[in-house]
Amino acid sequence: GQNIDQPTEMTATEGAIVQINCTYQTSGFNGLFWYQQHAGEAPTFLSYNVLDGLEEKGRFSSFLSRSKGYSYLLLKELQMKDSASYLCAVYDSNSGYALNFGKGTSLLVTP
Amino acid sequence: DTGVSQNPRHKITKRGQNVTFRCDPISEHNRLYWYRQTLGQGPEFLTYFQNEAQLEKSRLLSDRFSAERPKGSFSTLEIQRTEQGDSAMYLCASTDGSTDTQYFGPGTRLTVL
Repeated sequence: GQNIDQPTEMTATEGAIVQINCTYQTSGFNGLFWYQQHAGEAPTFLSYNVLDGLEEKGRFSSFLSRSKGYSYLLLKELQMKDSASYLCAVYDSNSGYALNFGKGTSLLVTP
Repeated sequence: DTGVSQNPRHKITKRGQNVTFRCDPISEHNRLYWYRQTLGQGPEFLTYFQNEAQLEKSRLLSDRFSAERPKGSFSTLEIQRTEQGDSAMYLCASTDGSTDTQYFGPGTRLTVL
């Protein structure tokens, strides 16, 4: 099995920067995903890290350290529409092709 | 390409009834996944198809659950003798196998009374 931990809730101000952390324990790590999910909607793909380092995509960046079992999602220039749940998911070769998700971090962006 | 679609979007049923959900993956995606998500939790894996073959099933998938993908395109998930604990959002995802990125449908929200 594996353990994926991320904070339950975070609050940040419009225009600011927020970092959402994710730690994981797995024996067959094969990549880490971040998804965004608005209430009542499907998760939408944000980023995929398989190697150590930072992946930047517009206002969103994702970092991975495999040796530390750690990732973070960085959101810059926050907008109100960024209020959503952010899901960290690990792709584990020991679990076939399934994604194993954390419980998600609910981000509230305030004016 | 309109993405992954699921029907119905909402289903309310009485305990003990059978329900069936449908998922249409993105065209040419040969891998299809079913997940279940309850409030405040991340999606939990249920089962996975490569083309028409069901290759993996989670221990969460009890005998009351069955999934099919007869022609390697759309898939159905049936729950027999529904229980209140089956109330959840049922999500479908697909990928073409050239990448590991799974694209999700909007889900079917099941409420068992």
